[in-house]
Amino acid sequence: AQTVTQSQPEMSVQEAETVTLSCTYDTSENNYYLFWYKQPPSRQMILVIRQEAYKQQNATENRFSVNFQKAAKSFSLKISDSQLGDTAMYFCAFMNGFYNQGGKLIFGQGTELSVKP
Amino acid sequence: DTEVTQTPKHLVMGMTNKKSLKCEQHMGHRAMYWYKQKAKKPPELMFVYSYEKLSINESVPSRFSPECPNSSLLNLHLHALQPEDSALYLCASSQESGGGVYGYTFGSGTRLTVV
Repeated sequence: AQTVTQSQPEMSVQEAETVTLSCTYDTSENNYYLFWYKQPPSRQMILVIRQEAYKQQNATENRFSVNFQKAAKSFSLKISDSQLGDTAMYFCAFMNGFYNQGGKLIFGQGTELSVKP
Repeated sequence: DTEVTQTPKHLVMGMTNKKSLKCEQHMGHRAMYWYKQKAKKPPELMFVYSYEKLSINESVPSRFSPECPNSSLLNLHLHALQPEDSALYLCASSQESGGGVYGYTFGSGTRLTVV
């Protein structure tokens, strides 16, 4: 069974600085997808960034980038130039790439990030 | 339209009540999901509908009854709930069962309180 582990329950960062959130996962599959979701106090779960396991290149979305280390099964999220609006719970998530697995998105326990002015 | 709309946003119900949660999307997504989320915890999958058919039921108690009347609409019927069922209920959709590389689009949830 696949598992996702986020070892940092809480983190804080000063506005404009850079912060990295850690995520490791365990799977025996070779074809899968990884995601980072953000959930602010408004409750909406928002997709931040995604990575396909077969792609070597790390995904980047504006101030958000990932460090995907497939052999180490690590998928960390780097937030550059942190903004107050980045304050949220961040979930790392895994999805098997084979559709007959039922489309289950497996979440880590989350990291609560506070950006301080 | 790139949204998943959930109604109501808040619901308070007694343990003998019957109520329904509604979820709607107009993105042409063919898979829809119900998740339950407790405070400061990750969402837990309850049900998956693929092409309007129930494909996954994560051993959810029968007091929760899902319904998918058409490809755009997903309901969750609630009956005889317990206080421990109080949680945020999230609906999500994806382009196809499995979500693929695009992942899910989530609604903003219904905050349910059972009294």
